[in-house]
Amino acid sequence: GAGVSQTPSNKVTEKGKYVELRCDPISGHTALYWYRQSLGQGPEFLIYFQGTGAADDSGLPNDRFFAVRPEGSVSTLKIQRTERGDSAVYLCASSLNSGNTGELFFGEGSRLTVL
Amino acid sequence: SQQGEEDPQALSIQEGENATMNCSYKTSINNLQWYRQNSGRGLVHLILIRSNEREKHSGRLRVTLDTSKKSSSLLITASRAADTASYFCATVNSGGSNYKLTFGKGTLLTVNP
Repeated sequence: GAGVSQTPSNKVTEKGKYVELRCDPISGHTALYWYRQSLGQGPEFLIYFQGTGAADDSGLPNDRFFAVRPEGSVSTLKIQRTERGDSAVYLCASSLNSGNTGELFFGEGSRLTVL
Repeated sequence: SQQGEEDPQALSIQEGENATMNCSYKTSINNLQWYRQNSGRGLVHLILIRSNEREKHSGRLRVTLDTSKKSSSLLITASRAADTASYFCATVNSGGSNYKLTFGKGTLLTVNP
């Protein structure tokens, strides 16, 4: 597609379960970002990929969170042993390249609700 | 952590009026960007202003940047009901982490028809 695609758009899960959120960036974009947005807040940085490697994962809140981008295109954000505090909208963004970052192109987000 | 602080947090105006939103930040920046987010949707890039620029225009949008005061403003002229959305400023810091945006908490703009 023409834009950044995220699936699922909504995910409801129970505390303690495992969740995967998928992001398909714009074709040819080498830089990919995951952000998390809580209600009434701005997006907060989680992790940045340049190609296949995670160049900066300093925003991941703890070791229950992990993300991969094995072929330098699609990325998956994985959350283990979900907690109620993980409930948020997880936004993925991509850009043509990084460094002196220009605009990011965002997906519509995956809304995660942990019961 | 969130670098930018937008004010006001919420703004309600009538169609046709101008809307001004402000953003303050703390560190040295490479550029500052404004994004728009409709309720329940993703963010859409509006405009980017570099640290060596003072003013930029795009259609009904005007952005200013004052690096000495570490502040920026977004002006939307002749507002329309369709401009109703949350508006976020985001900074790209100069120096090491020049690949990521740091967002503020946003201003919720409501334009009444």
